[in-house]
This record gives sequence, structure tokens and C-alpha cells, in this order.
Amino acid sequence: GAVVSQHPSWVICKSGTSVKIECRSLDFQATTMFWYRQFPKQSLMLMATSNEGSKATYEQGVEKDKFLINHASLTLSTLTVTSAHPEDSSFYICSARGLDGNTIYFGEGSWLTVV
Amino acid sequence: GNSVTQMEGPVTLSEEAFLTINCTYTATGYPSLFWYVQYPGEGLQLLLKATKADDKGSNKGFEATYRKETTSFHLEKGSVQVSDSAVYFCALSNAGSQGNLIFGKGTKLSVKP
Repeated sequence: GAVVSQHPSWVICKSGTSVKIECRSLDFQATTMFWYRQFPKQSLMLMATSNEGSKATYEQGVEKDKFLINHASLTLSTLTVTSAHPEDSSFYICSARGLDGNTIYFGEGSWLTVV
Repeated sequence: GNSVTQMEGPVTLSEEAFLTINCTYTATGYPSLFWYVQYPGEGLQLLLKATKADDKGSNKGFEATYRKETTSFHLEKGSVQVSDSAVYFCALSNAGSQGNLIFGKGTKLSVKP
């Protein structure tokens, strides 16, 4: 079946630095990818919708200049957390819409810890 | 707006017990409904889904029926196993939302031997 791979799985960075998380669709082309964030004991919250070749659509309250999303190809979307702060520590997970247009496949997620 | 409400956890059961995790939703139109499972240290996996009223999704012994009249999609399993211990998320996707999912807060299930 369709597979979405996310990298890295775990990352620790210092406050003020930037970190990039990659989301790849391995065996299908994904025109639309989604980025979610999950704080401890909370649900997943959609951060942004990423469409290949165009600017991402951010949800209300998500800073687009802080969470840079690039979807330069049909198999890769990246999320860059710029000038990271400890409160950005969270579980970030991406998903991609499959070829049938309805099925959503999730990556394994990335744990970000900012120290 | 669209939203999903699911029962608070954690839920602790003994092996072979019956499981119900309640989920209700609010949505415009006719959303698709999903249950996702997150095992410890892993990402989300689709467990089952239903795309229209009265559809029953099933997988790995789990079932959920799309009830439009009660706007519910309760998850059930007749006999849980220790390996079912995970966090379960109910979610909906509205056709007009490009397919992004709206999740409930998740219910943690612990099954004891």
C-alpha cells in the first residue's frame, strides 16, 4: 500500500536554531500534503495544507513565517521550524492524500524537542 | 463548524473484555468518518472508515457504524487483546475541506493481561 515516510523521527535542537522535517510519499505522487501538530495529551491539530507548486494554506493561529512549508515536488514536502523555542516542542506529523483522492496516509511523525 | 467529540480516557480493560469508545461529530453535509490508532512510539494508522450513512467499517476485529441520525461513529471490539493498547482517534473529513482531517482528542486504551 501507499507509504509516507517522515524524517527525522527524533530531533533535538537548541533554542533559536531552525530545524527541517521532511515528508515523502514513497510510491505515489501526492499533490496535497497536510502538516499536523500534536501536543501531549491533545489531539492532532492541522497546521497547514501544502499543495505542490503553490504556497501552503495555513490554519488560523499558525505563523507562516515561523513554520515554513515547501512542497516543491509531487513526492516531497518539508516543514521548517525557524527560530525554534521550547514551546515548539511537539510531535509533528504529515499526511498525504492518495491517488484515489480520498485515502489519507500518515507519516510516522517527528518528535521535536527544543532545549 | 466541524468537530469531533470522543470519550475521555484513559480506558483500562482486562484482556477479552468488550470495548466501546464513543465518538460523536458535528459537520455540515455528509462527511467521511474514520478511526485511527496510534501505537506507542509510532505514527497514526488508519484502523477503519465509513463514507456514508449506515456504512460499517471493520478491521482487526474492530467495528464502527456511521449513524447519521445520532451523528455517531462508536468504535467497538468484542474481545480486546493486550496488543490493542494504544491511543484511538476518531476523525472526520468533509468533502469541501480538501480532505484534511478533523480529529477528536483521542482515547488511550490500556489492556491488562
